[in-house]
Amino acid sequence: DQQVKQNSPSLSVQEGRISILNCDYTNSMFDYFLWYKKYPAEGPTFLISISSIKDKNEDGRFTVFLNKSAKHLSLHIVPSQPGDSAVYFCAAESNNNNDMRFGAGTRLTVKP
Amino acid sequence: DAGITQSPRYKITETGRQVTLMCHQTWSHSYMFWYRQDLGHGLRLIYYSAAADITDKGEVPDGYVVSRSKTENFPLTLESATRSQTSVYFCATGGGYTEAFFGQGTRLTVV
Repeated sequence: DQQVKQNSPSLSVQEGRISILNCDYTNSMFDYFLWYKKYPAEGPTFLISISSIKDKNEDGRFTVFLNKSAKHLSLHIVPSQPGDSAVYFCAAESNNNNDMRFGAGTRLTVKP
Repeated sequence: DAGITQSPRYKITETGRQVTLMCHQTWSHSYMFWYRQDLGHGLRLIYYSAAADITDKGEVPDGYVVSRSKTENFPLTLESATRSQTSVYFCATGGGYTEAFFGQGTRLTVV
């Protein structure tokens, strides 16, 4: 039972445009959400996070939006750059046990 | 100071053999995790540990054993390897409402 879902396996955008990656979750106990970026042959690296008490968190070109009622979050990358091409994982934690659960990932390709 | 290291990076083993994947961290973080990455499934949690001598099952624990006698080490053992355990394994530390740091992964092939 996958509690964190990324339904788009891949996304392709043009350099300079916006990339929007989506994530849905089913466990209402999740209250902290993270995005990780992964390049081939490397471990995932942290990108940005958001607590459930917020609905938006911004860090440079990256913004994460959280809609708790819809159990949905999204990552916006503006403007997209070719170096952003990677697999992006959404992750979630809950207060009761702190085990991090991940989605299946979305492969983003930014074309020059 | 490597932070978190996994060994070996690559391993080929035969069905039925026992194999242990090592994970070592230098930060003294409380939490440590083991994930496996498979196409279409993303990262699935195998086991995690909140502190030395405390371990808990994740989503896919069957066929795996972990231990954590010291804070800095969190080995993962496949007691009798099966082909379905062919995967890339990632160890991570941190978490607990903050970012986790991942090792570079171990690519395990069971033949």
